Amino acid sequence: QQQVKQSPQSLIVQKGGIPIINCAYENTAFDYFPWYQQFPGKGPALLIAIRPDVSEKKEGRFTISFNKSAKQFSLHIMDSQPGDSATYFCAASIKTSGSRLTFGEGTQLTVNP
Amino acid sequence: NAGVTQTPKFRVLKTGQSMTLLCAQDMNHEYMYWYRQDPGMGLRLIHYSVGEGTTAKGEVPDGYNVSRLKKQNFLLGLESAAPSQTSVYFCASQWGLAVLASTDTQYFGPGTRLTVL
Repeated sequence: QQQVKQSPQSLIVQKGGIPIINCAYENTAFDYFPWYQQFPGKGPALLIAIRPDVSEKKEGRFTISFNKSAKQFSLHIMDSQPGDSATYFCAASIKTSGSRLTFGEGTQLTVNP
Repeated sequence: NAGVTQTPKFRVLKTGQSMTLLCAQDMNHEYMYWYRQDPGMGLRLIHYSVGEGTTAKGEVPDGYNVSRLKKQNFLLGLESAAPSQTSVYFCASQWGLAVLASTDTQYFGPGTRLTVL
């Protein structure tokens, strides 16, 4: 049972475009929503994260939008660059439950020059 | 600091063989995790530990065992490998029950690519 569903599976944009990756979750007890970035042959690395008490968080070119009532959150990448080409994973966890991450399926992003 | 390291980086096993994957972290983290990554399925939690001497099952624990005898090390064992365990295995660590938001970050190792024939 996939508690966090992610879409799209793959995404191709031109340099400067704004890719958007969406995630939906089922468990309302989740209280932490990170996005991880993974390059080929490497482990995932935290990109940005949000808690459900805010609706948006921005760090540089990366923004998370969070809709608690809809149980959805999304990642926006402003002014995308070829170096942003990677696989992106959304995830969710519960702080008091060992902070175990439940991941989405992943989105392979390609930014063409 | 080396962060999170994993040994070995690659391994090929035959069905029925056993092996142990080693994860080490030098950040004095309380929590440690083992995930497996398969195409189209994201990462799935196998086992985790919230402190030295403790372990707990994750989402997909069958066929695996773990031990956390020292705070800095988390071992993942396969007693009798099966082709279904062909995957990339990632270890991660985290401070623990977060006081500050910055301590929620899970740091991942570089992965171990395991093939079971």
